[in-house]
Amino acid sequence: GAVVSQHPSWVICKSGTSVKIECRSLDFQATTMFWYRQFPKQSLMLMATSNEGSKATYEQGVEKDKFLINHASLTLSTLTVTSAHPEDSSFYICSARGGTYEQYFGPGTRLTVT
Amino acid sequence: AQSVTQLDSQVPVFEEAPVELRCNYSSSVSVYLFWYVQYPNQGLQLLLKYLSGSTLVKGINGFEAEFNKSQTSFHLRKPSVHISDTAEYFCAVIFYGGATNKLIFGTGTLLAVQP
Repeated sequence: GAVVSQHPSWVICKSGTSVKIECRSLDFQATTMFWYRQFPKQSLMLMATSNEGSKATYEQGVEKDKFLINHASLTLSTLTVTSAHPEDSSFYICSARGGTYEQYFGPGTRLTVT
Repeated sequence: AQSVTQLDSQVPVFEEAPVELRCNYSSSVSVYLFWYVQYPNQGLQLLLKYLSGSTLVKGINGFEAEFNKSQTSFHLRKPSVHISDTAEYFCAVIFYGGATNKLIFGTGTLLAVQP
C-alpha cells in the first residue's frame, strides 16, 4: 500500500525559532499534498494544499508567511513554521494524493514550542 | 454549505457487541466517502471508501459501511468489536467537482470498547 512518512515525529523548539517538517511519499508520486493541523481531541483542520512545482493554496485564516510550504518534487513537501510561538504547538499531519481521490496520511509530527 | 456531521462524539460499547458510528453529509453534488481511524498520537489509516458501485463497502478490520444517497448517510458498522478497536473514527467526504476536491472531515467519534 501507499506509504507516507513524516520527519520528525516529535520536535521541541524555543519560541522565536523556526522548525521544518518533512513529508514524503515513499512508494508513489504525489501530485497533491495536504497539510493539516489537529488540536487535542479535535478533528483535522486543513491548512493548505500544494501541487508539485507550484505555490501552495492556503485555507482562510492560515498565515502563509508563518507556515511556509514547499512542494519541490513529486515525493517531498515541507512545512516550515517560522518564528514559532507556544500557540503554534499542535499535531501536524500531512497527506498525499496520487492519481486517484484517495489520500494517504503521514504519522504526524507533534510540535511543542516552549 | 457542504458539511460532514458525526453526531456522536463518543460511543461506549462492550467488547463483542455490535456498533454503528453515524455519518451524514449535506450536499446535492456527487460525493466520494471515506472512513479513517486514528489511534492515539498517530496519523490516519483508511478503513474503507466509497467511490462508485455497490453501496455496501467492506473495509479492513471487519468494518463495513453503507452509502445511502437518499438519506445522505455513510454509517460505519462492525458486528463484534474488540478492545483493540478503541480509537477515534473520522468520516470524510470529497464533494466532487470542487476546485481542489478537498477532503472534508467530520468532527470524529471516539469508540470506547469496554471489557
